[in-house]
Amino acid sequence: QSALTQPASVSGSPGQSITISCTGTTSDVGGYNYVSWYQQHPGKVPKLMIYDVSNRPSGVSNRFSGSKSDNTASLTISGLQAEDEADYYCSSYSSSALVVFGTGTKVTVL
Amino acid sequence: QVQLRESGPGLVKPSQTLSLACTVSSGAFNSGSFYWTWIRQSAGKGLEWIGHIYGRGTTNYNPPLKSRVTISIDTSNNQFSLKLTSVTAADTAVYYCARSPVTYSPWFDPWGQGTLVTVSS
Repeated sequence: QSALTQPASVSGSPGQSITISCTGTTSDVGGYNYVSWYQQHPGKVPKLMIYDVSNRPSGVSNRFSGSKSDNTASLTISGLQAEDEADYYCSSYSSSALVVFGTGTKVTVL
Repeated sequence: QVQLRESGPGLVKPSQTLSLACTVSSGAFNSGSFYWTWIRQSAGKGLEWIGHIYGRGTTNYNPPLKSRVTISIDTSNNQFSLKLTSVTAADTAVYYCARSPVTYSPWFDPWGQGTLVTVSS
């Protein structure tokens, strides 16, 4: 089971919107609406930002939104802020491995 | 608010067994309602799901690790544990315990603070 594919890095200026992609197969991302997203600041614990493709846990800013099309899920951060600079990981249910994570994306706020 | 905390040796010799425990805050360890999960992260690398346990001890493991992993549960002490045998340098990582709902949807919240395990002689 290969990791889900994410871009290594995405950058944007404060106030802009950015989108992080997470590409899998019909055995994971494309086959189920079970994609979650995590934010991880350096040296910190991953934090759940989105679950079940587009649901936000209580306390997560509505600047974060999730979507999915075919085998690719996306996390959009609108109104980019300096505090959003972090690593982001997607995760999906997988029919072969049960759980698969993405390769991770470093978000830089310019 | 549920809290999880990992504990165990920070240094393990190659070929030996890595053993970690995760203690769940009192009153929150209703083991039948959640998957109790182990995840690891190698330095500069991504996250890797190791496996989980639920109920009275039903487990599922990541196929590449399955032959070396055992996850067990001790409800009387609000703990679940990880054993990884025949470790090599490739098993050096920060190990996290986490909770996820007993559904097909693998979202993890909360997480423990993580514990670094180094495999070295």
